[in-house]
Amino acid sequence: AQSVTQLGSHVSVSEGALVLLRCNYSSSVPPYLFWYVQYPNQGLQLLLKYTSAATLVKGINGFEAEFKKSETSFHLTKPSAHMSDAAEYFCAVNLYNQGGKLIFGQGTELSVKP
Amino acid sequence: EADIYQTPRYLVIGTGKKITLECSQTMGHDKMYWYQQDPGMELHLIHYSYGVNSTEKGDLSSESTVSRIRTEHFPLTLESARPSHTSQYLCASSEWTGGSYEQYFGPGTRLTVT
Repeated sequence: AQSVTQLGSHVSVSEGALVLLRCNYSSSVPPYLFWYVQYPNQGLQLLLKYTSAATLVKGINGFEAEFKKSETSFHLTKPSAHMSDAAEYFCAVNLYNQGGKLIFGQGTELSVKP
Repeated sequence: EADIYQTPRYLVIGTGKKITLECSQTMGHDKMYWYQQDPGMELHLIHYSYGVNSTEKGDLSSESTVSRIRTEHFPLTLESARPSHTSQYLCASSEWTGGSYEQYFGPGTRLTVT
């Protein structure tokens, strides 16, 4: 069965510093992988997705993620954090034969210090 | 503008009451989903639908029920609310785009049962 693990329930960075949010997946077949962001009292917004077209995926708001099959990872990065990046971030996996159903990681809360 | 709507956004209700959480989308998507999210926790799929008159239970057992009589409408009902039902409920719909299914989320309903 597939699963997603996000290392670190809370990450704190200074404004302008590198953001790195970790995600590891478990899947017996090539997965589709997603990163979503959730601001307080809102739904989830898609940041980026991996569908096997390219291992380095660029998303919105300056975020990107790299799919590494050997490490079963899909870590999310941003070179320079902004205060507006403070939110909850979720990694999710979907298999091609699962009809669009997503399995989510536990989430990582990102705090950005001035 | 295509979008996905949830009402009410917040609901405080007493034990034993029957409640219906509304979810509507204007995008014409066949696939729709309900997730339950406790504070600071991951999302768990509780119901999904692949089209009109199609509903299935998700990975997390739930006492709620759903119906799909119209493509755009996917309401969730609790016949008798209990404090253990206190949670946030997120509705989503998906379409196949860019090589995978992408899910679009509503803003959520935060339910408190007293």
